[in-house]
Amino acid sequence: KAGVTQTPRYLIKTRGQQVTLSCSPISGHRSVSWYQQTPGQGLQFLFEYFSETQRNKGNFPGRFSGRQFSNSRSEMNVSTLELGDSALYLCASSLASLSTGELFFGEGSRLTVL
Amino acid sequence: ILNVEQSPQSLHVQEGDSTNFTCSFPSSNFYALHWYRWETAKSPEALFVMTLNGDEKKKGRISATLNTKEGYSYLYIKGSQPEDSATYLCALSRGGYQKVTFGTGTKLQVIP
Repeated sequence: KAGVTQTPRYLIKTRGQQVTLSCSPISGHRSVSWYQQTPGQGLQFLFEYFSETQRNKGNFPGRFSGRQFSNSRSEMNVSTLELGDSALYLCASSLASLSTGELFFGEGSRLTVL
Repeated sequence: ILNVEQSPQSLHVQEGDSTNFTCSFPSSNFYALHWYRWETAKSPEALFVMTLNGDEKKKGRISATLNTKEGYSYLYIKGSQPEDSATYLCALSRGGYQKVTFGTGTKLQVIP
């Protein structure tokens, strides 16, 4: 059974640009959540999608957005990149509820903003 | 702001030693407590999801307990091995479709 796939794995952008990251969940999983990890910080919750609907959103500015498609694949977009957006972005999929289902993580997309 | 605290931040143990870490969280509106192991250059991997006060779960040499009334969970590793070296994360969810809040982790290094 294929795991969670994130693309691209690494990318470098400059300030002011925008970026789109992709996440393909495990087949059958309907919940996809996104997290940001920066040095010294735990995983910070960005948002969760379930059946194409955003169910919850973390404390991030509106420059961070996402969506989920009918096949459960999800994308997150960051516009007007800032240096502080440099981070590892992880997505995770879950069979059902984000709250009680164990999360299956991808390997992450490491974004560097110059 | 929901604070999930983990202690210690890091520790080094000798191979064969047993060890334990703590995850502390607000006990109100508790829904579930997750533990994950995150090895360097890999993805976080789920260890346990616990929902009931008094829950005890075990996977091989690793076990966890949960006290929702006082707001803590312990993770135990018996007879640590070098392959146990990783960051151990706990995460709290508080019901329904509430987001999961992660602690900053305990980084364990097992010295051969």
